[in-house]
Amino acid sequence: AQTVTQSQPEMSVQEAETVTLSCTYDTSENNYYLFWYKQPPSRQMILVIRQEAYKQQNATENRFSVNFQKAAKSFSLKISDSQLGDTAMYFCAFMSLDFNKFYFGSGTKLNVKP
Amino acid sequence: GAVVSQHPSWVICKSGTSVKIECRSLDFQATTMFWYRQFPKQSLMLMATSNEGSKATYEQGVEKDKFLINHASLTLSTLTVTSAHPEDSSFYICSARDPGPQAAGNTIYFGEGSWLTVV
Repeated sequence: AQTVTQSQPEMSVQEAETVTLSCTYDTSENNYYLFWYKQPPSRQMILVIRQEAYKQQNATENRFSVNFQKAAKSFSLKISDSQLGDTAMYFCAFMSLDFNKFYFGSGTKLNVKP
Repeated sequence: GAVVSQHPSWVICKSGTSVKIECRSLDFQATTMFWYRQFPKQSLMLMATSNEGSKATYEQGVEKDKFLINHASLTLSTLTVTSAHPEDSSFYICSARDPGPQAAGNTIYFGEGSWLTVV
């Protein structure tokens, strides 16, 4: 069974600085999808970034980038130039290649301080 | 952009009654839909995966007779909580997969979630 682990329940960062959120996962599959989602107090899930396991190049989306280490089964999220609006819960997620499993980690609460 | 609508946003029901939550994909055909339960300050727990026209696949520990999931069309999946009890009170979220065109397909969209309170 696939599992997703986020070992940092809560993190803080000063506005404009950089922060990295950790995620590891366990799977026996060779190809799959990985995601980072943001959940603000409204509870709406917002896609931050996505990575296909067959792609070696790390995904980037503006201030957000990932460090995908397939062999280590690690998928960390780096947020550069942190903004107050980045304050939210961040969830790492794994999806199987057949799209029938979509699991989330326990989440990291990120506080961006002014 | 593509939207998933979840209804109702809030529902209060009496213990012992059943309540239905709908999840609709508004402008795409969702071949797969996922149902989650989220307790306060906790993660999204996958309850089941539903594919259109077939029975839902439930995660271990989820009672399929209590949480009935139906995916009768490519745009609608429903979760029915039968004989609800206070411990079923929670935030329920659905998500839907849009296979889309090859280049940008397999995008997941989330509903707004439904707060269920059983009294």
